[in-house]
Amino acid sequence: SQKIEQNSEALNIQEGKTATLTCNYTNYSPAYLQWYRQDPGRGPVFLLLIRENEKEKRKERLKVTFDTTLKQSLFHITASQPADSATYLCALDRTGGFKTIFGAGTRLFVKA
Amino acid sequence: NAGVTQTPKFRVLKTGQSMTLLCAQDMNHEYMYWYRQDPGMGLRLIHYSVGEGTTAKGEVPDGYNVSRLKKQNFLLGLESAAPSQTSVYFCASSPGPEAFFGQGTRLTVV
Repeated sequence: SQKIEQNSEALNIQEGKTATLTCNYTNYSPAYLQWYRQDPGRGPVFLLLIRENEKEKRKERLKVTFDTTLKQSLFHITASQPADSATYLCALDRTGGFKTIFGAGTRLFVKA
Repeated sequence: NAGVTQTPKFRVLKTGQSMTLLCAQDMNHEYMYWYRQDPGMGLRLIHYSVGEGTTAKGEVPDGYNVSRLKKQNFLLGLESAAPSQTSVYFCASSPGPEAFFGQGTRLTVV
C-alpha cells in the first residue's frame, strides 16, 4: 500500500531564511500531490497542488517540486516569517479526489 | 461564507454510547469525507461520498456509519463508542483533488 514519509522532527529556522520540507512516498506515483497547512486546533488548509507531469509549482512565497523518479516532493517557503509556523501536511491522490492519503506532517517553527 | 461546518466541536462519551457528528458544506461540492487524526499519524479516511445518496468505505471504516441524504450534509455515526475511537474528527468537501476541511470535532470516549 502507499505510504508517505514526512520528517517527524520539527524544523526550526530563523526568520527570513528558506524553509524546506520533504515528502517521500513509496509504491505508485500519484496523479496529484498536495500540500496543506494545519494550525493547532484547526483543520488543514489547502496550499498547493502539483500534477505528476509537472516539475515545479509556485504560489507567492511557496514553491513545490515533484520528482517522480525519486518519489519525492519538496516544499519551500522563502523569506519565512513567524506566521508561517505551523504543521505542513503532504497528501497524495491517485484518483482525482476521493482516495487522498495524508502524511503525518512536519512541524515548522520560524523564530523572529 | 461558512465553508465546512462541523457540529459539535467537543464531546465526551462513555463507552457504549452512540452519537452522530454533523457536517455541512455550502460550496455545492459533490465529494465529502470523514477523517480521523491521531497523534503522530496522518489523517485517515473513514468514509467518503461521491454524491448525494452515495457512501463508500475508506481506510478505517469499522465502528462507524455514514449517511448523505442531502448533498450539503454528511453525517458520521458511532453506534457503540469505544475508547479506541478517541480522536479528532475532520469533515471535508471537495470539487476535485483539493479538499476544504471543517474545524474538527474532538471526541473523547471514556
